[in-house]
Amino acid sequence: EDKVVQSPLSLVVHEGDTVTLNCSYEVTNFRSLLWYKQEKKAPTFLFMLTSSGIEKKSGRLSSILDKKELFSILNITATQTGDSAVYLCAVEAAEYGNKLVFGAGTILRVKS
Amino acid sequence: SAVISQKPSRDICQRGTSLTIQCQVDSQVTMMFWYRQQPGQSLTLIATANQGSEATYESGFVIDKFPISRPNLTFSTLTVSNMSPEDSSIYLCSVEARRENPDTQYFGPGTRLTVL
Repeated sequence: EDKVVQSPLSLVVHEGDTVTLNCSYEVTNFRSLLWYKQEKKAPTFLFMLTSSGIEKKSGRLSSILDKKELFSILNITATQTGDSAVYLCAVEAAEYGNKLVFGAGTILRVKS
Repeated sequence: SAVISQKPSRDICQRGTSLTIQCQVDSQVTMMFWYRQQPGQSLTLIATANQGSEATYESGFVIDKFPISRPNLTFSTLTVSNMSPEDSSIYLCSVEARRENPDTQYFGPGTRLTVL
């Protein structure tokens, strides 16, 4: 059974801290791994990763994939209160077409 | 990029009634998806809706409970039938669209449903 596990489940940091969120997965026929940020209802797309070792970067956020060890990390540097959200990791397996399997999410709270 | 809207954004319903949620996209998309997110849980795919064919349901979800329509390439509805308090969730539609990345799923704003 395909599985996506995120850690930690929740995290409280102070503004300016750097955080690393983890996502490990077990799927057959891996196609891509995606990171989303969910603040209220709708997850907003952050990154899509398909190749190992290539860092994707957007402002203070960056992510990298390790297809050998089957995990990805999402880094947020110089955190701000606006980064407080649930961060979701999802994996797409080719055999299921476009189906996304989501992890439980990491709840990040940034205190001022 | 696709702009996705959902109606209603939230609703409070009585047990035993049904609610239809609408999802509208501002461009034509082949694949639309319906997800459920129960309180404190992550997203679970209910079904995939392709225009011109029956929706494909995931294990644990059935058409009688969650009938889906997909009349054209920009619109879909999900009905939650004969609701019970266990159906209280956020319901999200998503579409595949090409933006910076190919074939990435983007989500609508969601419908928060509370069943009393």
